[in-house]
Amino acid sequence: QVTLRESGPALVKPTQTLTLTCTFSGFSLSTSGMCVNWIRQPPGKALEWLARIDWDDDENYNTSLKTRLTISKDTSKNQVVLRMTNMDPVDTATYYCARSRMAYNWFDSWGQGTLVTVSS
Amino acid sequence: DIQMTQSPSSLSASVGDRVTITCRASQSIASYLNWYQQKPGKAPNLLIYDASILYSGVPSRFGGSGSGTDFTLTISSLQPEDFATYYCQQTYNTPPYTFGQGTKLEIK
Repeated sequence: QVTLRESGPALVKPTQTLTLTCTFSGFSLSTSGMCVNWIRQPPGKALEWLARIDWDDDENYNTSLKTRLTISKDTSKNQVVLRMTNMDPVDTATYYCARSRMAYNWFDSWGQGTLVTVSS
Repeated sequence: DIQMTQSPSSLSASVGDRVTITCRASQSIASYLNWYQQKPGKAPNLLIYDASILYSGVPSRFGGSGSGTDFTLTISSLQPEDFATYYCQQTYNTPPYTFGQGTKLEIK
């Protein structure tokens, strides 16, 4: 059974750096073709794909946010970390991680999401 | 980046109705189109991948079609549990993978 769970601060101040962790089970990011994505959703708004890290350490980023994002993985801990710098109130959102696979690319398993509020 | 446009943005319908939601890509994405259902306070769930293939466990009243730039999600006979927000997503080639703006399906 595949599970993912996001963790991190519920509240960050403007200009701070957000660090979120996705801890997963039921698959390994050392398996060829496995990927983990981050997606966010501001309250009442649409989903926005942020970043993906692949089993082979390849990284991809949202074009508009790429200068602020860093994704990394710790295969031994089954964790993926997303860092977003220079947080702003418009970054207030629920942040999700989700699994995909290179052969398919759809997101078949999602975490429950974690709400991050940016406010002073 | 490829832009995805869904219509309508909201839709009112009754139990038993047949409903169709459309999604248009800003360029051809072949059949690399997925549909998700999201209920309030929950993560999205995959319904359909590759434009028309029903994901495991998804009821057969859901169907998808299209290729190139124009796609549709059809629910043949609405059930109470289908009232939710639906998103399309393109996964053509390499990321970034973009979502549509969503269609909120409400009870009439």
